Amino acid sequence: EIVLTQSPGTLSLSPGERATLSCRASQSVSSSYLAWYQQKPGQAPRLLIYGASSRATGIPDRFSGSGSGTDFTLTISRLEPEDFAVYYCQQYGSSPFTFGGGTKVEIK
Amino acid sequence: EVQLVESGGGLVQPGGSLRLSCAASGFTFSSYSMNWVRQAPGKGLEWVSYISSSSSTIYYADSVKGRFTISRDNAKNSLYLQMNSLRDEDTAVYYCARGPQPSGYYYKYWGQGTLVTVSS
Repeated sequence: EIVLTQSPGTLSLSPGERATLSCRASQSVSSSYLAWYQQKPGQAPRLLIYGASSRATGIPDRFSGSGSGTDFTLTISRLEPEDFAVYYCQQYGSSPFTFGGGTKVEIK
Repeated sequence: EVQLVESGGGLVQPGGSLRLSCAASGFTFSSYSMNWVRQAPGKGLEWVSYISSSSSTIYYADSVKGRFTISRDNAKNSLYLQMNSLRDEDTAVYYCARGPQPSGYYYKYWGQGTLVTVSS
């Protein structure tokens, strides 16, 4: 099983600032099959990024993904008020399709 | 519009059983693989199970293997999760989820979730 470790656990930032979220895998994620999701309280997750760096339909270009192998990053270039939420990474290269523990981006 | 609507959650005692359903609409259900993902209260996401469009390929998380059974009825546009030998740690909101493509293992479409509470 591939274990995904997200850091930091919480990120305290102000609107307009840049957010950098990390997702590290315990072994290489095949073909960069890594996705990122955003979740707000009481809502289902929302797909942001797939294939490590491809934005899902309708996702603003301030969200970008990068990385390969075992190290992946989600960057939000300039935080908007609606971006404060919890973010999860998920690998789907091999079953079980594991999620990271999440990073909470909160308003400073 | 793709819609996924879960039902069947509720309160069940440890060791009990429950069957979740997910009614799909707005797309050709029989062409898409489907998944169950759960989230314990205040915790992160946990993938539970996957089923291919024809039911020929099925995967489970180790935490539910041997206790949960995923199935589907393409004629009824429905996905199911039979949960047996339930434990306290199975308490969670259970989501059905679908990828943007027929065989996707990542999830663009999610239901609203159904809460399963395992408690005596």
